[in-house]
Amino acid sequence: SQTIHQWPATLVQPVGSPLSLECTVEGTSNPNLYWYRQAAGRGLQLLFYSVGIGQISSEVPQNLSASRPQDRQFILSSKKLLLSDSGFYLCAWSVEGFPEAFFGQGTRLTVV
Amino acid sequence: DAKTTQPPSMDCAEGRAANLPCNHSTISGNEYVYWYRQIHSQGPQYIIHGLKNNETNEMASLIITEDRKSSTLILPHATLRDTAVYYCIVRPHTGNQFYFGTGTSLTVIP
Repeated sequence: SQTIHQWPATLVQPVGSPLSLECTVEGTSNPNLYWYRQAAGRGLQLLFYSVGIGQISSEVPQNLSASRPQDRQFILSSKKLLLSDSGFYLCAWSVEGFPEAFFGQGTRLTVV
Repeated sequence: DAKTTQPPSMDCAEGRAANLPCNHSTISGNEYVYWYRQIHSQGPQYIIHGLKNNETNEMASLIITEDRKSSTLILPHATLRDTAVYYCIVRPHTGNQFYFGTGTSLTVIP
């Protein structure tokens, strides 16, 4: 069966520090991968999606970047965090031709 | 960008049917209607999807109007565990992106 792992569950980082959130998927090949952010009391905002290794599409200009070094690994990064980067970050995967997207448990990031 | 409009919040009595509306007046012919829900501090969970026919599964029913400009998700017997934010999404079946709006926060009241 397919599973998605996202870590850490919670993270508190100072302003200006770097960020690296990792997401891995098991049990499927060549998935579409996604990073979403949810600010407090807000909806889900699509940040990045990837259809293959090294292929990243950015949905909004921001202080974040994404990379896909392996087929089932998706990384969200920042060189210098801002207070506005605080939020709930979710990784998700889907497979072409199938209707569902499957989400990880999320990382709650607080920038202080 | 989300192409749907949903009421921000709704209440429903436990045991009664919850009817959640969604407007998608600019939906294209190849776009499906999807519904997800997000329980607090968890990732969204897929519920159901449809193109133009009404659909039913073990979780819910989806009613799509004939002109496809709106739809209703029906939870036939709401329980307290159905309290969540419900998102209506339109996307091509073979599309890559999933765009979520702000959804409807459903509160099931005992």
